[in-house]
Amino acid sequence: EEQLVESGGGLVQPGGSLRLSCSASGFTFSAFWMTWVRQAPGQGLEWVANINQDGSETHYLDSVKGRLTISRDNGRNSLYLQINSLRAEDTAVYFCARLGVIVVAPTGLDQWGQGTLVTVSS
Amino acid sequence: DIQMTQSPSTLSASVGDRVTFTCRASQSISRWVAWYQQRPGKAPELLIYKASSLQRGVPSRFSGRGSGTEFTLTISSLQPEDFATYYCQYYNTYSQTFGQGTKVELK
Repeated sequence: EEQLVESGGGLVQPGGSLRLSCSASGFTFSAFWMTWVRQAPGQGLEWVANINQDGSETHYLDSVKGRLTISRDNGRNSLYLQINSLRAEDTAVYFCARLGVIVVAPTGLDQWGQGTLVTVSS
Repeated sequence: DIQMTQSPSTLSASVGDRVTFTCRASQSISRWVAWYQQRPGKAPELLIYKASSLQRGVPSRFSGRGSGTEFTLTISSLQPEDFATYYCQYYNTYSQTFGQGTKVELK
């Protein structure tokens, strides 16, 4: 069974840092682009970052550039999101997701984790 | 940056109704649109990709159309499990943008 499981969320003070993890199983993790998406309480979905199959290419939402870093370890089938200088507006459920592909064309985010909640508060 | 605007923000409907949601892109994006369903407290689920391709396992009552800047998602006969929030998304490998969502509620 294909599965993504996030961890690492919690309550953090403003200005602090956090590293989120996403463990993949049931599919060839190294073959896919991966994505982080977040959702503030009661709000819509917001794309945060993408990373390519070998980690050599990353892309970020403009408003988080410089504070968030996406990375991966294909040997551990794991995706990461480092969040620095946390702000109240970073409070959200963070989902990792797989960018599906058919032949060479992307198909949208076809596999999602259950999400991990990050709360930024003093 | 490409913006995705969904309408309506809320839709009241009954079981068995045919419902259609609209998503407009701020510039032409070919057919790089996906649609997702999200139930409360759950992760989103992919319904449609490349504007009109049905994700495997998704019921055939869901269909998507469009290209360029205007896209639609139609549910041909609303079922009780379809009361949820629906998001459109512009996607590619380097950037993604979600619409603000359309919530389908019971009339």
